[in-house]
Amino acid sequence: QQQVKQSPQSLIVQKGGISIINCAYENTAFDYFPWYQQFPGKGPALLIAIRPDVSEKKEGRFTISFNKSAKQFSLHIMDSQPGDSATYFCAASPSGNTPLVFGKGTRLSVIA
Amino acid sequence: KAGVTQTPRYLIKTRGQQVTLSCSPISGHRSVSWYQQTPGQGLQFLFEYFSETQRNKGNFPGRFSGRQFSNSRSEMNVSTLELGDSALYLCASSLTRDRGLEKLFFGSGTQLSVL
Repeated sequence: QQQVKQSPQSLIVQKGGISIINCAYENTAFDYFPWYQQFPGKGPALLIAIRPDVSEKKEGRFTISFNKSAKQFSLHIMDSQPGDSATYFCAASPSGNTPLVFGKGTRLSVIA
Repeated sequence: KAGVTQTPRYLIKTRGQQVTLSCSPISGHRSVSWYQQTPGQGLQFLFEYFSETQRNKGNFPGRFSGRQFSNSRSEMNVSTLELGDSALYLCASSLTRDRGLEKLFFGSGTQLSVL
């Protein structure tokens, strides 16, 4: 049973546009929601993360929006650049030493 | 500071064989997690070790096993390989027990192909 559902599976965005990736979860015990970025041939790397006590977190061109009541969170990439082309994974976990549960990933291609 | 190192980078095996993958975490990191990455399933959790003890285990058959040494280095073993075991195996380390398994630092993975 997939605990974190991610969409879309793939996304093509024009340079300068906004990329939006969505995730939904069911487990109300989740209280940590990170996004990881993976380039070809590399392992995933933490991009940005949020906890449920805030509805939005922004770091540079990357923003997480969080909707606790809908049990959804999303990643927005403003002014998307070709260098942003990568696979993005959302994840979630409860507090404590419990493993992260990952979504299936979104392959983003930013074209000039 | 060196990152997470995984060896070998690529591995080709045949069905029925066994394989051992190695992971050296970032210095000072005591937790090591293993994930299997496939195109259709994303990242699936295998197990996590902390101070040589398996603390968490995912939903994989007993053919998948691991261990952690006193220097925090970890190995993962897959016995009786099946075609479906072909995947990228990722190791990740994290800093402290108190902060949990939130911020993971991944290696580049071992690409296993089973023929």
